[in-house]
Amino acid sequence: DAGVIQSPRHEVTEMGQEVTLRCKPISGHDYLFWYRQTMMRGLELLIYFNNNVPIDDSGMPEDRFSAKMPNASFSTLKIQPSEPRDSAVYFCASSRTEKYEQYFGPGTRLTVT
Amino acid sequence: GENVEQHPSTLSVQEGDSAVIKCTYSDSASNYFPWYKQELGKRPQLIIDIRSNVGEKKDQRIAVTLNKTAKHFSLHITETQPEDSAVYFCAASTDSWGKLQFGAGTQVVVTP
Repeated sequence: DAGVIQSPRHEVTEMGQEVTLRCKPISGHDYLFWYRQTMMRGLELLIYFNNNVPIDDSGMPEDRFSAKMPNASFSTLKIQPSEPRDSAVYFCASSRTEKYEQYFGPGTRLTVT
Repeated sequence: GENVEQHPSTLSVQEGDSAVIKCTYSDSASNYFPWYKQELGKRPQLIIDIRSNVGEKKDQRIAVTLNKTAKHFSLHITETQPEDSAVYFCAASTDSWGKLQFGAGTQVVVTP
């Protein structure tokens, strides 16, 4: 199993640009989570999906952030427009019903200048 | 919603000594408590977890204890080794395989 796949691994963009982060969960997993990690705020859950349906998006910081999961094997997190305070490592994780462990992807390090 | 507090924020131990990290949670409905280890520049990985119907769980040098009455749980690492150096996160969940609320993390440094 390839594990959770995220792309890109690093993204540097200028303030105001649109940023799209991508995630492929582990095959057979029906839960997908997007997290943001910063020194100041730690590991924050942004949104999670079950069977491609968003269940809880209360962690999404503002309307500039949006997430989609068009099918069981792909999800995107979009930031438009990006701001310097969005700089962080964004992790995607997946798990499956009745199995508790969340498997994290390698993360995308986003830098907004 | 759930709030998880974790202490200490940093912990320095001599190789071979024990390390203990403590977490408290606020929601009495929480029933699942995992611990994740994150090495520098890497992803968080599950090292041990416990459910609310169990008071203690052990896996080789690591153990977790849960006190539901006091709403706190702890990670114990015995015979620490340099490879135990990492950031450790506790978490709590009310719905097991859904939403996790993470603590702020503990930076553990094991010195030879």
